[in-house]
Amino acid sequence: AQSVTQPDIHITVSEGASLELRCNYSYGATPYLFWYVQSPGQGLQLLLKYFSGDTLVQGIKGFEAEFKRSQSSFNLRKPSVHWSDAAEYFCAVGEGGGADGLTFGKGTHLIIQP
Amino acid sequence: EAQVTQNPRYLITVTGKKLTVTCSQNMNHEYMSWYRQDPGLGLRQIYYSMNVEVTDKGDVPEGYKVSRKEKRNFPLILESPSPNQTSLYFCASSSRGRGDTEAFFGQGTRLTVV
Repeated sequence: AQSVTQPDIHITVSEGASLELRCNYSYGATPYLFWYVQSPGQGLQLLLKYFSGDTLVQGIKGFEAEFKRSQSSFNLRKPSVHWSDAAEYFCAVGEGGGADGLTFGKGTHLIIQP
Repeated sequence: EAQVTQNPRYLITVTGKKLTVTCSQNMNHEYMSWYRQDPGLGLRQIYYSMNVEVTDKGDVPEGYKVSRKEKRNFPLILESPSPNQTSLYFCASSSRGRGDTEAFFGQGTRLTVV
């Protein structure tokens, strides 16, 4: 069975500092990997996705993520965070990006300090 | 504008009183799904549908029903709600299931059962 682990429940970062959110997955084949963001009172927005090819993927809002097969990881990074990045972040894995088969991690709550 | 619309956004109800949360998408998507989000548990899939009249259970289907009579609509039915169904619910849709596709999420329905 597929699973996703986000080891950090909360992360606090100062505005302007760099950010890395960790995600480890368990999957039997080559995974499809995703990062979603949920701003307060909003639905989920796709930040980026990895299907194949270049292991460093660029997303929206200045985010990027790197797929490392040997470590079963797909960590999310941003070089300089803004106060508007405060949100809940979810890593997900599936056989594709469809609505039927995504397995989500428990989420990481990002707090931005001024 | 392409969107997934859930109604209501907020609902407080009493134990045992049947309720329906509606979900509608305007993208002609075949796949639709319901998730519940609980603190510390992330998003868990309740039911999904691959097309009209085709539905299947997700990870946490107990206490819920769904129907897919039209392509655009995928209502979630709680026949006899209980307090443990207090949660934030998300509907999602996608054009495909597996492979290179993207799930679009509604803004969520916050349900409280007292």
